[in-house]
Amino acid sequence: EAAVTQSPRNKVAVTGGKVTLSCNQTNNHNNMYWYRQDTGHGLRLIHYSYGAGSTEKGDIPDGYKASRPSQENFSLILELATPSQTSVYFCASGDNRQDTQYFGPGTRLLVL
Amino acid sequence: AQKVTQTQTSISVMEKTTVTMDCVYETQDSSYFLFWYKQTASGEIVFLIRQDSYKKENATVGHYSLNFQKPKSSIGLIITATQIEDSAVYFCAMREANSGTYQRFGTGTKLQVVP
Repeated sequence: EAAVTQSPRNKVAVTGGKVTLSCNQTNNHNNMYWYRQDTGHGLRLIHYSYGAGSTEKGDIPDGYKASRPSQENFSLILELATPSQTSVYFCASGDNRQDTQYFGPGTRLLVL
Repeated sequence: AQKVTQTQTSISVMEKTTVTMDCVYETQDSSYFLFWYKQTASGEIVFLIRQDSYKKENATVGHYSLNFQKPKSSIGLIITATQIEDSAVYFCAMREANSGTYQRFGTGTKLQVVP
């Protein structure tokens, strides 16, 4: 049973539109992360969270917002989507004790 | 600032042989943690193995082991007796003890194991 799920799995959006990517985890982990994966760049951290109500900027936060309304849910919001945000987005969860991250299946986003 | 570099873009090896994937890192922190993850063709990313900077002994899990060379800031992943299903992209990552819980990833090495 998948512990980190993402929705939608695929998304086509128009330039200037709003996009919300959702992530849910049943690991009861405090920490959650959003990454994007692009060829030649590996996984780059966009935003992360230490718990409900907290969000922190990662390495490439521009153009993205994050929301952590509960322990289980962490959303990534693109208020004004641009073609440069076409990518595969991964959510992950982790706790301070184990220190490893558990990834969701990814969301493929295409911005036209 | 922390940085992780994987210079090998892709590697091809024969099945049942041993392969080493390289990773070098930069950090100012005296305490840090190093990780390797595997991304399969389906896109799934899973944790494989880790090395804590204060441990001298190289970590080993199944047919994965690490070659930790602290003076060279290097953490190589060794896969022995490779199998076709080891074909994947492998990411190296680092977390600094004083920089929160996030990990910074390298760009990945694509491994192809051929029969």
